[in-house]
Amino acid sequence: QKEVEQNSGPLSVPEGAIASLNCTYSDRGSQSFFWYRQYSGKSPELIMFIYSNGDKEDGRFTAQLNKASQKLSLLIRDSQPSDSATYLCAVDTGGFKTIFGAGTRLFVKA
Amino acid sequence: GAVVSQHPSRVICKSGTSVKIECRSLDFQATTMFWYRQFPKQSLMLMATSNEGSKATYEQGVEKDKFLINHASLTLSTLTVTSAHPEDSSFYICSARPGGTGDQPQHFGDGTRLSIL
Repeated sequence: QKEVEQNSGPLSVPEGAIASLNCTYSDRGSQSFFWYRQYSGKSPELIMFIYSNGDKEDGRFTAQLNKASQKLSLLIRDSQPSDSATYLCAVDTGGFKTIFGAGTRLFVKA
Repeated sequence: GAVVSQHPSRVICKSGTSVKIECRSLDFQATTMFWYRQFPKQSLMLMATSNEGSKATYEQGVEKDKFLINHASLTLSTLTVTSAHPEDSSFYICSARPGGTGDQPQHFGDGTRLSIL
């Protein structure tokens, strides 16, 4: 069974620090990788996607992919209280379905 | 781009009522849409994959006669919760992917909070 694993947290960081969120996936044939943010009571919103090994930066967010270790990471620089949310890692194995992790709760302390 | 609209945002109704939820892709065509359910403080659970012009594919344990899915056009999928009961109360979220399969991400609607009294 294809799986995506995330630490449920909560991960607590002070305002201004770097938050580091991690995810591992089981299907070595996975092609596309995504990070979603979900605020409490809201639906998920896409914040990053990455397709190849290495880093991809977008503003304060950096997605990191290491296919050899089957690990996906999200770094949030200069964390703000408004970044407090659940972050979902998602992996697309090339079919119709995307496999979602259970999410990591992030709490940024002011 | 890639906007998904979901309606209604909230429904409160009596037990035994059937409830229809609409999911529309506003600026792209979606041959495939997805329906999720999420209970409080729990993860997203995929209920079914909706395919335009054909029958939906339901996940194990999801009753297809209770959760009717219709995907009659490339921009609209509907989920009908038939004869809803209190245990069906949940947050229902649809998503769609531009271009169907491949490397495009899913984009989510705003969700429908269903409360059955």
